[in-house]
Amino acid sequence: GAVVSQHPSRVICKSGTSVKIECRSLDFQATTMFWYRQFPKQSLMLMATSNEGSKATYEQGVEKDKFLINHASLTLSTLTVTSAHPEDSSFYICSARLDLYNEQFFGPGTRLTVL
Amino acid sequence: AQKVTQAQTEISVVEKEDVTLDCVYETRDTTYYLFWYKQPPSGELVFLIRRNSFDEQNEISGRYSWNFQKSTSSFNFTITASQVVDSAVYFCALSDLFSGAGSYQLTFGKGTKLSVIP
Repeated sequence: GAVVSQHPSRVICKSGTSVKIECRSLDFQATTMFWYRQFPKQSLMLMATSNEGSKATYEQGVEKDKFLINHASLTLSTLTVTSAHPEDSSFYICSARLDLYNEQFFGPGTRLTVL
Repeated sequence: AQKVTQAQTEISVVEKEDVTLDCVYETRDTTYYLFWYKQPPSGELVFLIRRNSFDEQNEISGRYSWNFQKSTSSFNFTITASQVVDSAVYFCALSDLFSGAGSYQLTFGKGTKLSVIP
């Protein structure tokens, strides 16, 4: 089946630093990847849609200068949380869309804690 | 605008009981997909089912079954003979096929936390 990995799975950083999260589709190419954010006991909220070779499309209320997304290849998208603050602490999940089946395959998530 | 409502925030059942998780959706599209995902405590989303709007047949997979009623915009999920391993948060989601961005975005419900007590 289609597998999506995320790295790191867990990261703790100091306030003011930047953190990069990688999302890789391991056995298929994905022109579109998605980044979600999930606060404790809440649902997944779409942050942005990442398209290979073009700029990401951000959802309303998501700061594109704070959450930098790069989709440089058909198997890799990265989310960089810049100048992280404690309120950025959350569970970040990516997904990659398998075009043939119009289905999103989810990564295992990255738990970010900003001290 | 699309919306998915899971009215049950938390449900507790005793092992071997049957349980139904409700999902009601809103969309202006005539063509769409509905999904159910399971999220165990580890956090990883596990895909359970996808149903397109043209297919109203109910589906059964082992102890899991799904009831799609287009007339009431509902896509309910039933677990029969529940087990402790079923304890998780379950999300219902909706995807249109013709979003403006052409990217088939998913809209998630708020999730239902199921606890199966031994």
